[in-house]
Amino acid sequence: DTEVTQTPKHLVMGMTNKKSLKCEQHMGHRAMYWYKQKAKKPPELMFVYSYEKLSINESVPSRFSPECPNSSLLNLHLHALQPEDSALYLCASSQEYRGPNQPQHFGDGTRLSIL
Amino acid sequence: GESVGLHLPTLSVQEGDNSIINCAYSNSASDYFIWYKQESGKGPQFIIDIRSNMDKRQGQRVTVLLNKTVKHLSLQIAATQPGDSAVYFCAESLYAGNNRKLIWGLGTSLAVNP
Repeated sequence: DTEVTQTPKHLVMGMTNKKSLKCEQHMGHRAMYWYKQKAKKPPELMFVYSYEKLSINESVPSRFSPECPNSSLLNLHLHALQPEDSALYLCASSQEYRGPNQPQHFGDGTRLSIL
Repeated sequence: GESVGLHLPTLSVQEGDNSIINCAYSNSASDYFIWYKQESGKGPQFIIDIRSNMDKRQGQRVTVLLNKTVKHLSLQIAATQPGDSAVYFCAESLYAGNNRKLIWGLGTSLAVNP
């Protein structure tokens, strides 16, 4: 079982809907990440939070809005998504963001389908 | 069985055989390397890591070898089992400016035949 919990596991939404993805970890990690993964491809980094502050935004469209309410929680707010945004959205955490030798630990993702 | 991760994305082995998954990494400044296993419908699972000051590290049934001269990383799985069937990703980690960057390989799909 993964120590990073993501909800929901599956989400189907229309292009005009607003929804949120949630991620939680209780490992005391201070870095949290959002990734997007298309089928048969490696994960692509979207956002990095370090000590609850946004450190990296990999030029992600504004229809994706991350939020880190506290050190254990990470949200991804979705609005007006496009069909090409259908993918597996993965959350990960690590002890620190800039420290060496820091494996990221992943949740099982939210499978998002945009109609 | 053996594969080159970037050029042969699928590796098929018999149960009980040893598997070798290879990865050519891109940046000589990378100082940390990780192998992940991703089963269908799940997120990447950390398997083993290695620092650049080492050339070999062993875990339970897995060994990672690092050859910095040719920028090559391999994952060896001993006595491969059906539960090892998954996509395996290598990733290299390095400092880029003020940030730590993780660069993923394209992945190798391992199929274990009973």
